[in-house]
Amino acid sequence: DTAVSQTPKYLVTQMGNDKSIKCEQNLGHDTMYWYKQDSKKFLKIMFSYNNKELIINETVPNRFSPKSPDKAHLNLHINSLELGDSAVYFCASSQVGTGGGYTFGSGTRLTVV
Amino acid sequence: DAKTTQPNSMESNEEEPVHLPCNHSTISGTDYIHWYRQLPSQGPEYVIHGLTSNVNNRMASLAIAEDRKSSTLILHRATLRDAAVYYCTLMNTGFQKLVFGTGTRLLVSP
Repeated sequence: DTAVSQTPKYLVTQMGNDKSIKCEQNLGHDTMYWYKQDSKKFLKIMFSYNNKELIINETVPNRFSPKSPDKAHLNLHINSLELGDSAVYFCASSQVGTGGGYTFGSGTRLTVV
Repeated sequence: DAKTTQPNSMESNEEEPVHLPCNHSTISGTDYIHWYRQLPSQGPEYVIHGLTSNVNNRMASLAIAEDRKSSTLILHRATLRDAAVYYCTLMNTGFQKLVFGTGTRLLVSP
């Protein structure tokens, strides 16, 4: 019973296309996140939603638009994909106020050709 | 964002204890110290966290310096499955934001 699940696991697409990645958590957490891990394996936070409200929005191009229909789901839509968007995208969740840990999904490897 | 500093890599033999150090000299009073690990081709996995006191769980122990400017993750008996990149991070409970550094790549030899 996967705690944080992402789909798809792999995504290969051409430059200029628009694509979405979906994330769902069944842990009852109130906060969800998107992280990007580039080819140098550096993990960088992109967005965070708490109870469907955007609370963290790092310096990410506005081609990236997160959407949280409810606190168990956080999707990431990317417009006009560029080669530099190729990376592994991780979704995570946590419960705010506890100081406790994040639970990460297994990642979506996006390759833009 | 408060920064952490870790060695790039460390090596250990199987069945031996491993001490992974982390410096976080700019830690603030409300920052929790978190450790995660990432196995190849997987997402980061929570290992342990603490605020001021040392912590133990089934995976590891966390020793926190009295001034909180450094911490050490202790794996009591390394196994081959512990080979991973270990990240020491700080979480401010206000924003609940984890900022990852470059981590320590742990190599475990049989």
